[in-house]
Amino acid sequence: GAVVSQHPSRVICKSGTSVKIECRSLDFQATTMFWYRQFPKQSLMLMATSNEGSKATYEQGVEKDKFLINHASLTLSTLTVTSAHPEDSSFYICSARGQLAGAYEQYFGPGTRLTVT
Amino acid sequence: AQTVTQSQPEMSVQEAETVTLSCTYDTSESDYYLFWYKQPPSRQMILVIRQEAYKQQNATENRFSVNFQKAAKSFSLKISDSQLGDAAMYFCAYRRVTGNQFYFGTGTSLTVIP
Repeated sequence: GAVVSQHPSRVICKSGTSVKIECRSLDFQATTMFWYRQFPKQSLMLMATSNEGSKATYEQGVEKDKFLINHASLTLSTLTVTSAHPEDSSFYICSARGQLAGAYEQYFGPGTRLTVT
Repeated sequence: AQTVTQSQPEMSVQEAETVTLSCTYDTSESDYYLFWYKQPPSRQMILVIRQEAYKQQNATENRFSVNFQKAAKSFSLKISDSQLGDAAMYFCAYRRVTGNQFYFGTGTSLTVIP
């Protein structure tokens, strides 16, 4: 089946620094990737949608200058949290879609837990 | 905008018994996709079952089946012969045919009692 990986699985950074999270589709080409944020015991909230080679589309209320998304290749998307603050601490999940992955499915990565101290 | 509602924040079931998780959604579309995802403590989202709205037949996947009531916009998940490994958070999700975005419900936390 389609596999999506995320790196790192957890990261701790100091307030004011930036942190990059990678999302990779391992066995298929991901034409579209999605970034979600999940607070404890809550649902997944879509942050942005990225298509390979084009700018990401951000959901309302998500600061594009704070959450930089790059989808430079068909197998890699990155989310950079710039000038992180404690309120950015959360669980970040990526997912990917591609022709090989099926026309209507998304395959999820295992998530990255970000803690900002 | 589409909304997905899961009215049961928590459910519990005895091992080997059957449990049904509820989901309703709101849409003006006639064709769409519906999903149930499982999120165990590892936080990895796992697809449990999917249903295409144009199909009248309810989807089944081993011990998991759905009751899809299109007119009522209801999409419940039935887990038969519940196992300890079924304990997880379950999310109902909706997706338009032409769009990319998934709309998730707020989730139901399922506890399986040995």
